[in-house]
Amino acid sequence: ETGVTQTPRHLVMGMTNKKSLKCEQHLGHNAMYWYKQSAKKPLELMFVYNFKEQTENNSVPSRFSPECPNSSHLFLHLHTLQPEDSALYLCASSQGPGLEGDEQYFGPGTRLTVT
Amino acid sequence: QKEVEQDPGPLSVPEGAIVSLNCTYSNSAFQYFMWYRQYSRKGPELLMYTYSSGNKEDGRFTAQVDKSSKYISLFIRDSQPSDSATYLCAMKPEVQGIQGAQKLVFGQGTRLTINP
Repeated sequence: ETGVTQTPRHLVMGMTNKKSLKCEQHLGHNAMYWYKQSAKKPLELMFVYNFKEQTENNSVPSRFSPECPNSSHLFLHLHTLQPEDSALYLCASSQGPGLEGDEQYFGPGTRLTVT
Repeated sequence: QKEVEQDPGPLSVPEGAIVSLNCTYSNSAFQYFMWYRQYSRKGPELLMYTYSSGNKEDGRFTAQVDKSSKYISLFIRDSQPSDSATYLCAMKPEVQGIQGAQKLVFGQGTRLTINP
């Protein structure tokens, strides 16, 4: 595997379910991100982790719970979601803060539908 | 007012045409400017990255930044059907420390179709 991978690619869940999204990066990066992409809206940053520590939480509701056990893996735990949470959830990674540009590389995303 | 404005299109041009994609922004602190390309059912792919003002060329792609006008552009020469995708501009300020240093602000994306 190369780059940033995400599983599952598609997920349908009811509002009372609990599920988790997984992201893995094979780039040796130290920073990982979760973004939400909804139709007709710009990409929204949700969380940032640097060296496994959360450094940004962009006022995300508590029904979204991130976990970063190491610099290569990132999870997004979901529970009691709402239909408006249906979106494409993208994971990204970068080398880390303090490096010029710190370009972010994205995974293919998980298409989430909440019914 | 949104921090970054980008016309969502759709934009449809014939093969071989020169394509111009643009974003305007309001935050004068933005220093890093990126263009991403996103194919249908895929994640965004970094195309071009520029720091501060000026031009950058990579093959058929040219990125321009005009900080005085708070305006950035991506030009695609000799456009191909394979260039059909959504193009996202993104930018961030140069900040000291970790907090906010990695917070990219994205435009809405422009959907581009190149017709054979």
